[in-house]
Amino acid sequence: GAGVSQSPSNKVTEKGKDVELRCDPISGHTALYWYRQSLGQGLEFLIYFQGNSAPDKSGLPSDRFSAERTGGSVSTLTIQRTQQEDSAVYLCASSFSRLAGGRITGELFFGEGSRLTVL
Amino acid sequence: GENVEQHPSTLSVQEGDSAVIKCTYSDSASNYFPWYKQELGKRPQLIIDIRSNVGEKKDQRIAVTLNKTAKHFSLHITETQPEDSAVYFCAEDSGAGSYQLTFGKGTKLSVIP
Repeated sequence: GAGVSQSPSNKVTEKGKDVELRCDPISGHTALYWYRQSLGQGLEFLIYFQGNSAPDKSGLPSDRFSAERTGGSVSTLTIQRTQQEDSAVYLCASSFSRLAGGRITGELFFGEGSRLTVL
Repeated sequence: GENVEQHPSTLSVQEGDSAVIKCTYSDSASNYFPWYKQELGKRPQLIIDIRSNVGEKKDQRIAVTLNKTAKHFSLHITETQPEDSAVYFCAEDSGAGSYQLTFGKGTKLSVIP
């Protein structure tokens, strides 16, 4: 399978615990995104990694949220001291954002998401 | 920051009719406007996109129009079918070659057989 892989697919945790969500992007994709989707809501931007550039963290809702992307590939989103309002589906996406065939392609390929439930 | 407003939030149409979803944006530097479809319980997938150097793009039953002066773009689905039922999201990039996308809040389209 060459798609974006996320784990775990489901996570139930108690309020106050820390959680880590993992994203394995499509090989060769230079851009990686994290979005949050609450029940029936839209896609809320969290953080964006592009190659070796400094990540765009402007969407992180609080300092309890952080993300890393090691070696330009796998990314981990960490939520510390989880709260009930953190319950959502966390979607990762990757993109091949360089010139391809003379055209810059920016299509995002999403993973299946990690559903987080904070009790 | 960037802001994308999407309307309507829900839309019901009879099978065979057309559906139109509209989005407005505020960042004049934006130049890439994709549309994503998310079926129930599945991941969002790109269905069509348009760049600022064109005003309209069509792919079979779906089309997107862009009015840069008015800063709005629309998704048009003709001859709707039950499998078109899904949530549709518009998005804009942050301009200057960046591919950070800001999404609208989505439109839940229901096609009634």
